[in-house]
Amino acid sequence: QVHLVESGGGVVQPGRSLRLSCAATGFTFSGSAMHWVRRAPGKGLEWLAVTWYDGNKKYYADSVKGRFAISRDNSKNTLYLQMDSLRVEDTAVYYCARDRSWLGYYGVDVWGQGTSVTVSS
Amino acid sequence: QSVLTQPPSVSAAPGQRVTISCSGGSSNIGNNYVSWYQQLPGAAPRLLIYDKNNRPSGISDRFSASKSGTSATLDITGLQIGDEADYFCGAWDTSLTAMVFGGGTKVTVL
Repeated sequence: QVHLVESGGGVVQPGRSLRLSCAATGFTFSGSAMHWVRRAPGKGLEWLAVTWYDGNKKYYADSVKGRFAISRDNSKNTLYLQMDSLRVEDTAVYYCARDRSWLGYYGVDVWGQGTSVTVSS
Repeated sequence: QSVLTQPPSVSAAPGQRVTISCSGGSSNIGNNYVSWYQQLPGAAPRLLIYDKNNRPSGISDRFSASKSGTSATLDITGLQIGDEADYFCGAWDTSLTAMVFGGGTKVTVL
């Protein structure tokens, strides 16, 4: 069974950093592009970043470009999101998600359960 | 302001049908796959429909979708209380090199 389990969320002060992890099981992780998506309170889904199956190509939303970094370790079947210079408006539930393709263009078919990040002083 | 445009809310009585529209452009809906997602209160999103009108295993055939040009539509027939949720359309945008979502539509069963 395909599973994605996020971890690493919590409460952090503005300007600090946090790293989220997403453990993948039940499929060939190295064959799938992976995304990070978030949903802030009262808002809709916001796409953040995607990494190709091999990690060689990454794309970011303008709202997080330069502050967040997506990466993956295919030997550990794990996806990461390094979040630096966090802002209050980054408060959200963060989801990792699998793309139906290895390049990230086909759309998400599997979502994790999410991990909550609260940025507050 | 979302790249894909959805109505904020739709409502209907149990057993009725609702239609949710998703309007975009040639760089997203017009030339890429569209997906529809359901997010129940307190839960993670889940895939409802992908490509033109394909349902993952376990998704009811009460959900169907279509696409015409730069717009897409999700239909829910035989509306049930359990369908109350937020619904999002999504697609890759070739110009932005980003995945884009609609703002979401809240479905209320009257």
